[in-house]
Amino acid sequence: GEDVEQSLFLSVREGDSSVINCTYTDSSSTYLYWYKQEPGAGLQLLTYIFSNMDMKQDQRLTVLLNKKDKHLSLRIADTQTGDSAIYFCAEIMDMGRRALTFGSGTRLQVQP
Amino acid sequence: KAGVTQTPRYLIKTRGQQVTLSCSPISGHRSVSWYQQTPGQGLQFLFEYFSETQRNKGNFPGRFSGRQFSNSRSEMNVSTLELGDSALYLCASSLVQDNEQFFGPGTRLTVL
Repeated sequence: GEDVEQSLFLSVREGDSSVINCTYTDSSSTYLYWYKQEPGAGLQLLTYIFSNMDMKQDQRLTVLLNKKDKHLSLRIADTQTGDSAIYFCAEIMDMGRRALTFGSGTRLQVQP
Repeated sequence: KAGVTQTPRYLIKTRGQQVTLSCSPISGHRSVSWYQQTPGQGLQFLFEYFSETQRNKGNFPGRFSGRQFSNSRSEMNVSTLELGDSALYLCASSLVQDNEQFFGPGTRLTVL
């Protein structure tokens, strides 16, 4: 079945690292994504990882994938106030179908 | 390159009316997907269009429909509006064989 779960809220201080976690249940997921949504805005694609990879780094962002535990995480280094937003993880199981299944989102609050 | 554009950005309708939302994909993108975002249900896949054909459909009633034109622009229509249709409707575009779906800013529909 399709189910993606995230914790609802994370608060960090500016300059610290943030780690946002996600679990998924479908082992046939091909790609896993992280999107960012700021208030009143659409979704911004941050990064994605193919299911045969363990890690992907892109500037301040590091994605870790543990396929055995079906666990995905997004680490944001040197978190800034501009990183305050809702972060969604999403999976796509069949590229032919191209339908993203989203988690419920984690609200990241960065305190100055 | 211009991003995904959606019009209108805000819309207020009353129950029983119908509504049409428009999405213009990124130039060169031929696949357009639609998603509904509500506080209760989160982000849910509506349907995907490619080459003027609906390729995939989510679990929504037949009141929700769409189409795609030869220039890849897409419209979605909701007939006989219900209060529960109040949501942010997001459109995403992607290249045919690509891992990335890029989202527009959304259309916020309020049904009174």
